[in-house]
Amino acid sequence: GENVEQHPSTLSVQEGDSAVIKCTYSDSASNYFPWYKQELGKRPQLIIDIRSNVGEKKDQRIAVTLNKTAKHFSLHITETQPEDSAVYFCAASRPGGYNKLIFGAGTRLAVHP
Amino acid sequence: DSGVTQTPKHLITATGQRVTLRCSPRSGDLSVYWYQQSLDQGLQFLIQYYNGEERAKGNILERFSAQQFPDLHSELNLSSLELGDSALYFCASSVLQENTGELFFGEGSRLTVL
Repeated sequence: GENVEQHPSTLSVQEGDSAVIKCTYSDSASNYFPWYKQELGKRPQLIIDIRSNVGEKKDQRIAVTLNKTAKHFSLHITETQPEDSAVYFCAASRPGGYNKLIFGAGTRLAVHP
Repeated sequence: DSGVTQTPKHLITATGQRVTLRCSPRSGDLSVYWYQQSLDQGLQFLIQYYNGEERAKGNILERFSAQQFPDLHSELNLSSLELGDSALYFCASSVLQENTGELFFGEGSRLTVL
């Protein structure tokens, strides 16, 4: 089955710096790769997603890149702000109604003022 | 507010007991998913239902069971509870049958087993 590995597990940056979180997946048939943000004590919320027919997607200060050959995708956050502090989860799924959305273990991002 | 409602928000019980967690999906969403999040852990997929039928299963223990009712709400039943079952249980819903769209998570049900 699908396995998603996420690195690093913790990341500490200064406000204004960039942050990069990387994930690798095992199932070459996976075609959907979302990123969720979970603030302390809150529910996970989708922040950006990418499908396998696209190599990069941007939304203001966040971007996701996908390398299908290497089976890895990354989240890039530029000009980080203290409110970006949270746990970020990557996930992957393959097409078909009987397949699962599998999450990585999460990255705890701390942005220091 | 995601539109997904989970009850109860908090539950404290003893080992060996049985509990039921309830989830009402967003209006119009046919898929319901259950995830377990232990302390400082990731989101472990348990099970998915679509329009009343089981669609995908994760590493769900035999002591756990779930169902989705005709009104689309879902229940997760946890029995013979152990200390290790203490976790935050999330329900999520989506309009799609396939796992290729946004999941809307509820606020979670925090289970503490003493």
